[in-house]
Amino acid sequence: GDSVTQMEGPVTLSEEAFLTINCTYTATGYPSLFWYVQYPGEGLQLLLKATKADDKGSNKGFEATYRKETTSFHLEKGSVQVSDSAVYFCALSDRDTNAGKSTFGDGTTLTVKP
Amino acid sequence: GAVVSQHPSWVICKSGTSVKIECRSLDFQATTMFWYRQFPKQSLMLMATSNEGSKATYEQGVEKDKFLINHASLTLSTLTVTSAHPEDSSFYICSAPSGRETQYFGPGTRLLVL
Repeated sequence: GDSVTQMEGPVTLSEEAFLTINCTYTATGYPSLFWYVQYPGEGLQLLLKATKADDKGSNKGFEATYRKETTSFHLEKGSVQVSDSAVYFCALSDRDTNAGKSTFGDGTTLTVKP
Repeated sequence: GAVVSQHPSWVICKSGTSVKIECRSLDFQATTMFWYRQFPKQSLMLMATSNEGSKATYEQGVEKDKFLINHASLTLSTLTVTSAHPEDSSFYICSAPSGRETQYFGPGTRLLVL
């Protein structure tokens, strides 16, 4: 079946540091890939997505590139802020076999200190 | 962008009672919705797929008589936790796909069973 493996956390960075959260996946079909962010006590918000190989999703300074050859979708941000502190989930949605339902990684907690 | 709402946002109930959670797509129609459960500091676990006009599809290990799902219309799905017990306490999140590539998540409902 489909699976998503995320870099284990927690991750603690100082403000303005560079962020990378690794994500790799296995899928039987051709998935769409997503990063979601969850702030304390809230539901998930879509951060960015990519739907085909070599696509780059970007939003709010975050970026991730769909790498089919390495089955990866690593999240990066050049300069993190305290407000980026949250839990980040990598996910895939295999539209060919799973009718759009999502498989999630375990989440990575990011804490940014001033 | 598309919005999915959930009601209530949190609920506290006594053991043995039933609790109904609503999930609504506010500006688009959804023939399918998904229900997830999230334990503290863990990832989302797909519980079931709610289908408008037909029975819900449950994931392995999820009791369909315990978690009743009704997809009442193209914009509303409900999850009823029947005879709730403390181990049912969790964060329940619904999602609805919009188009082939995007899912929108509700803000979640926190259930505490005493």
